[in-house]
Amino acid sequence: QVQLVESGGGVVQPGRSLRLSCAASGFIFSTFTMHWVRQAPGKGLEWVAFILYDGTNKNYADSVKGRFTISRDNSKNTVYLQMNSLGAEDTAVYYCARRTAVGDGAFDIWGQGTMVTVSS
Amino acid sequence: QSALTQPPSASGSPGQSVTISCTGTSSDVGGYNYVSWYQHHPGKAPKLIIYEVSKRPSGVPDRFSGSKSGNTASLTVSGLQAEDEADYYCSSYAGNSYVFGTGTKVTVL
Repeated sequence: QVQLVESGGGVVQPGRSLRLSCAASGFIFSTFTMHWVRQAPGKGLEWVAFILYDGTNKNYADSVKGRFTISRDNSKNTVYLQMNSLGAEDTAVYYCARRTAVGDGAFDIWGQGTMVTVSS
Repeated sequence: QSALTQPPSASGSPGQSVTISCTGTSSDVGGYNYVSWYQHHPGKAPKLIIYEVSKRPSGVPDRFSGSKSGNTASLTVSGLQAEDEADYYCSSYAGNSYVFGTGTKVTVL
């Protein structure tokens, strides 16, 4: 079935780096734009970044611009989020999500999320 | 990239209706017909329930409906059921980026 599975979360010290992965299955990954969305404890959802189906367009939320990098490997059906210079404000559950197959401007498939905790 | 404004909470008895507002600006909600809504039960993945302002994905009951006027979008849940108790988030395309709402906790009394 259509599925997204995130991995790579954990506890990391402030200032360090972490790379998240999101493995897709059940659909033609190389034809879909992919996103990362996060939710800090007790807070709402926050859009983080997107990458076009072929990797030619990417963009980031202002809160992560210059520190996070989104990438994808269509041969591995996987999207990544490289997170550098992590701070306490980056503590959150990180979800990957697929742009809708029908229509636009929405996210129709979500993973279960991976928790990132930034703490010394 | 300021979050869209939603009321923190809303409630209704079973069978009643509840409407949640989502206020943005002309750079997001008002500028595009790409407003979507998500139902989020804690600990689970968010679920898309409305896209492109008022369209429902396959499998979403027609009790869920969406609309937009100017810079404000709205989600109405009619015929409230116990399983509708969840957090609801709006989202809008904002010109090569996206923004979510602050979230509304819906309680079924």
